[in-house]
Amino acid sequence: QVTLKESGPVLVKPTETLTLTCTVSGFSLSNARMGVSWIRQPPGKALEWLAHIFSNDEKSYSTSLKSRLTISKDTSKSQVVLTMTNMDPVDTATYYCARIEQWLFDPWGQGTLVTVSS
Amino acid sequence: EIVMTQSPATLSVSPGERATLSCRASQSVSSNLAWYQQKPGQAPRLLIYGASTRATGIPARFSGSGSGTEFTLTISSLQSEDFAVYYCQQYNNWPQTFGQGTKLEIK
Repeated sequence: QVTLKESGPVLVKPTETLTLTCTVSGFSLSNARMGVSWIRQPPGKALEWLAHIFSNDEKSYSTSLKSRLTISKDTSKSQVVLTMTNMDPVDTATYYCARIEQWLFDPWGQGTLVTVSS
Repeated sequence: EIVMTQSPATLSVSPGERATLSCRASQSVSSNLAWYQQKPGQAPRLLIYGASTRATGIPARFSGSGSGTEFTLTISSLQSEDFAVYYCQQYNNWPQTFGQGTKLEIK
């Protein structure tokens, strides 16, 4: 069974850096056909893709957030880490990680709500 | 970036009736279109990919159609568990983009 689980702080202050970890099970981050994406959803709003990373370490970022995002993976730990710098209240959202295969997000983690407030 | 537009924003339908949700792409995405279902407090779940192929475990009452720029998700006979928000996603062009969602509510 494939599962993903997000972890990280629930509250960050403006200007701080957010670090989120996605721990996967049921598949390997070295699988050539798969990767992991991060997607966020502000309260009551739509989904926004942020970044992805594949087994060959290919990375891609949202154009609008590229300067603030870094994605990396630790295959031995089955973890994918997303950092987002200079957090702002508008970044308050539920952050999801999802397996990506053939550009489809399936399955998703349960999500973690991150609030940006002083 | 391809813009995905879903309509209507909210759809009120009675249980047992048919629901039809629409998704339009700002340019052709061929058949590289997926639908996701999101229930309150839950993560999205993949329903349909390739515009018309049901994902594993998805009931046959869910069907997708369309190609190019116009797509439809149909739920043939609504069950109580189907009331949720539905998102379309194109994966023909980078970056993959989502629509704004259609909320399917009980009438």
